[in-house]
Amino acid sequence: GENVEQHPSTLSVQEGDSAVIKCTYSDSASNYFPWYKQELGKRPQLIIDIRSNVGEKKDQRIAVTLNKTAKHFSLHITETQPEDSAVYFCAASRGGNTGGFKTIFGAGTRLFVKA
Amino acid sequence: EAGVAQSPRYKIIEKRQSVAFWCNPISGHATLYWYQQILGQGPKLLIQFQNNGVVDDSQLPKDRFSAERLKGVDSTLKIQPAKLEDSAVYLCASSLRTSGNTIYFGEGSWLTVV
Repeated sequence: GENVEQHPSTLSVQEGDSAVIKCTYSDSASNYFPWYKQELGKRPQLIIDIRSNVGEKKDQRIAVTLNKTAKHFSLHITETQPEDSAVYFCAASRGGNTGGFKTIFGAGTRLFVKA
Repeated sequence: EAGVAQSPRYKIIEKRQSVAFWCNPISGHATLYWYQQILGQGPKLLIQFQNNGVVDDSQLPKDRFSAERLKGVDSTLKIQPAKLEDSAVYLCASSLRTSGNTIYFGEGSWLTVV
């Protein structure tokens, strides 16, 4: 079945450094790729997303790149801050056969930013 | 804008007991999802509704889990009887039909089965 692989599972960086999280997906029909941030005990919240007709998208310190040929996409966080510490989930989504949208999540990356 | 509401936030039950979780999606959102998130893992879809119809319940353990969304708004997820491996956070989420890809999550219902 379809799956999304996410790496690394844990990432520790020094404050001010960059962090990169990578995901690969198997369903070639996927056309929407959101990234969620989940702080301890809180709900996952959308931080950035990209659609299949775009190769890169940036929002302040966060950027996402997509390579449809290789079926992988990445999250880049620059100038990391302690408040960036959280679990980040990637997801791949496509239109469902029965009219809904099918979204598969990666297993998550726990990011630690050391002050 | 009010978010997705869930209750109860925390529940501890013994194995073989039953439990029910309630969810109220964002107003106007036609699509409602129930996800199971086991500690250290990503959310796993249990069931997805479009209005009051089920569009995907392929990963719902139907021998013990059930869910309904009778009037196309609120939803209830029930587990009966519970097993130890059901200990997880149950996340309800919703999305607009027209921009259905963006999913908004509730705070989750934390279940511990002892």
